[in-house]
Amino acid sequence: AQSVTQLDSQVPVFEEAPVELRCNYSSSVSVYLFWYVQYPNQGLQLLLKYLSGSTLVKGINGFEAEFNKSQTSFHLRKPSVHISDTAEYFCAVSEIGTDKLIFGTGTRLQVFP
Amino acid sequence: GAGVSQSPSNKVTEKGKDVELRCDPISGHTALYWYRQSLGQGLEFLIYFQGNSAPDKSGLPSDRFSAERTGGSVSTLTIQRTQQEDSAVYLCASSPTRTYEQYFGPGTRLTVT
Repeated sequence: AQSVTQLDSQVPVFEEAPVELRCNYSSSVSVYLFWYVQYPNQGLQLLLKYLSGSTLVKGINGFEAEFNKSQTSFHLRKPSVHISDTAEYFCAVSEIGTDKLIFGTGTRLQVFP
Repeated sequence: GAGVSQSPSNKVTEKGKDVELRCDPISGHTALYWYRQSLGQGLEFLIYFQGNSAPDKSGLPSDRFSAERTGGSVSTLTIQRTQQEDSAVYLCASSPTRTYEQYFGPGTRLTVT
């Protein structure tokens, strides 16, 4: 079985500062990795995904994430955040061969002016 | 184009009543998923339909929960004899074949009183 740990439930940051949202996973088999974002009162939206190839993946809105197999991590980063990045961010995995997502508990990113 | 739609957007029901939640996936998407988002449990996978294959029901929390997908399109999630712990936002997602990108609907907020 897979599990996902998002170590930070909340991350406060000032506008234009860099941010890293941490995600670690546990799985006995190979997985695909995802980050989803949920803006206030909106549905979940895919930010980026890692399936194979380069371990650094770029997503929408200037976000990127790096897959580290040895540390079983998939941390999300942005070099300079905007107020509009305020949202809840979810890391998720799916076992290769299945499509269901197993989500972490989410990290609330709060960007202050 | 049109995204995933869900109805109703809000549903308040009395404990013990049955409810039906509807999901209209994006046209042409072969896979359809149901998830539940609640304060205590986070985002949980419920059930997954892929084409004509037997659904993956491994996430359904009890036999009070069932789902069907008619004609490979619209899906209905049914909860019988609702309990207060069923209160949550029920999310539907759809996906084109083997893209590993799930597109989420806005959800149905279910409140059991």
